[in-house]
Amino acid sequence: QQPVQSPQAVILREGEDAVINCSSSKALYSVHWYRQKHGEAPVFLMILLKGGEQKGHEKISASFNEKKQQSSLYLTASQLSYSGTYFCGVHTGGFKTIFGAGTRLFVKA
Amino acid sequence: DTAVSQTPKYLVTQMGNDKSIKCEQNLGHDTMYWYKQDSKKFLKIMFSYNNKELIINETVPNRFSPKSPDKAHLNLHINSLELGDSAVYFCASSPQDSRTYEQYFGPGTRLTVT
Repeated sequence: QQPVQSPQAVILREGEDAVINCSSSKALYSVHWYRQKHGEAPVFLMILLKGGEQKGHEKISASFNEKKQQSSLYLTASQLSYSGTYFCGVHTGGFKTIFGAGTRLFVKA
Repeated sequence: DTAVSQTPKYLVTQMGNDKSIKCEQNLGHDTMYWYKQDSKKFLKIMFSYNNKELIINETVPNRFSPKSPDKAHLNLHINSLELGDSAVYFCASSPQDSRTYEQYFGPGTRLTVT
């Protein structure tokens, strides 16, 4: 079942912060975050694993609440280059990653 | 030193034709995927191969047939193309790890069926 992302879209000014949420109705082994710029492929940003381990990006952080099956992506001091669509992908076991519908982020000068 | 590559990048064809998309990865990954991204940006998994063995086969019309000649290559052949097949098709790979499966995507193939 597809995870639910919120908000659907965000508009920020440079330097502002944003939080993108991802929630699942199923127990999660891991949550992935990706960013896709217009006309390009999704790029892996970060993974959060059950048990608290995470691997990721130096300027972007995330949290994973295993009890609530939720993850949040924190974008601080946003830059123009942060613009794009952010996807969470959840892993409930096996080889399959199920992606959310995406959150469109637009950072303006 | 491209990690995941796809050809062609653009494909414009008429309804009823048959076409193929090729994918290659040089990351040494064991698992490869095909995703379809529609006009609303929704990323839907179609197929996955692990060491040349089909492991995921979602509800996809049987006009779509994947083939993996070796673990570095995964091709997608589409028969009798329909208007609804127009989308961007992404190939991806991931390392064999029971806990991570982070996806590394190719640049995509934009298929337009007229």
